[in-house]
Amino acid sequence: EDQVTQSPEALRLQEGESSSLNCSYTVSGLRGLFWYRQDPGKGPEFLFTLYSAGEEKEKERLKATLTKKESFLHITAPKPEDSATYLCAVHTNQAGTALIFGKGTTLSVSS
Amino acid sequence: EAGVTQFPSHSVIEKGQTVTLRCDPISGHDNLYWYRRVMGKEIKFLLHFVKESKQDESGMPNNRFLAERTGGTYSTLKVQPAELEDSGVYFCASSQGGGGYTFGSGTRLTVV
Repeated sequence: EDQVTQSPEALRLQEGESSSLNCSYTVSGLRGLFWYRQDPGKGPEFLFTLYSAGEEKEKERLKATLTKKESFLHITAPKPEDSATYLCAVHTNQAGTALIFGKGTTLSVSS
Repeated sequence: EAGVTQFPSHSVIEKGQTVTLRCDPISGHDNLYWYRRVMGKEIKFLLHFVKESKQDESGMPNNRFLAERTGGTYSTLKVQPAELEDSGVYFCASSQGGGGYTFGSGTRLTVV
């Protein structure tokens, strides 16, 4: 069964303190891995899609990387406005058109 | 460009009642998806429309849930009769081609 696990569940950082969020996956055949940001009371907001091991994508202070078993979302010099829940999801051969989500990592950045 | 719109934003109903959730996707998006997040769990897929046709409804939990997409535009998700375990946040998303999904803000359903 396809599975996505995110760690840690929660992360508290000081402003400027860089860190990484992990998304590990066990799937039948990966067609794509997605990162989303979700603010309270809002729907997930698309950040990145990664398709193959070795691929990297960047946007402002965020950088996503992908290996054959996991993906990392690196946050460089975070600011309080980066506080949110970050969700990882995969699109697989077995799951058809569905995205399979992890439970998310809730990031809090204090000034 | 207007985003994905869902309403109501919140709904509180009694067990056994009927509730209808509505989703207006981004104009021109052929793909429309419904997802649900139950408290403490991950977001889970319910179904996928391509235009007005159901492409994949493998995630629908049971026959108390009925989804429709009129004329390939807006979609409704009806729960009849509602049970306590149906409580959660229902998200709609749309996409065109291979692009990333755009999600709505969700409908928080509470069944009491």
